[in-house]
Amino acid sequence: GAVVSQHPSRVICKSGTSVKIECRSLDFQATTMFWYRQFPKQSLMLMATSNEGSKATYEQGVEKDKFLINHASLTLSTLTVTSAHPEDSSFYICSATTAQETQYFGPGTRLLVL
Amino acid sequence: QQQVKQSPQSLIVQKGGISIINCAYENTAFDYFPWYQQFPGKGPALLIAIRPDVSEKKEGRFTISFNKSAKQFSLHIMDSQPGDSATYFCAASMNTGFQKLVFGTGTRLLVSP
Repeated sequence: GAVVSQHPSRVICKSGTSVKIECRSLDFQATTMFWYRQFPKQSLMLMATSNEGSKATYEQGVEKDKFLINHASLTLSTLTVTSAHPEDSSFYICSATTAQETQYFGPGTRLLVL
Repeated sequence: QQQVKQSPQSLIVQKGGISIINCAYENTAFDYFPWYQQFPGKGPALLIAIRPDVSEKKEGRFTISFNKSAKQFSLHIMDSQPGDSATYFCAASMNTGFQKLVFGTGTRLLVSP
């Protein structure tokens, strides 16, 4: 149990385009989902926290207009990187949690912006 | 005060040996301490977690030792295997708000055959 999926696993896009990443909890209803960013050989950096049906809470320094988060249901959250630039290239990982507080992570999405 | 300090940054252990990774925190409001294992190109996977009401928790070859007074906790991997080679992250969270995890900086473990 407690499986979280992400789609796509890899994406390459041109500079200036937008990219949408999906995060799904497959076998449980997630009260909260989190989005992280991870650079090579570094730790996970929390970008935002989202709850179903409400606006996401962004961490300091994360541009909410650039990283749009939609949490449409208890099993789906999406992250859209708008007007992507090469510096947005990174590994994006989501996690989902229930009221039991354990965070289950997705497999990650590798974004490369050319 | 929100930081979780993790050491060592990297670790090489011979097969069959014990791997030990340490973490320290400042915020006494933290009450949940998980350890995650991450392989290259994959998302982190929960290994084991502990709450401050116990000093030790063991699951298979993995043991967390927790010292509340020192605000430190550690992961011990017994009988380390080459398949354990990965990056390990400690983390901490408070049971308030949205239970955000604060991650340590990670330890790259290499278990030599």
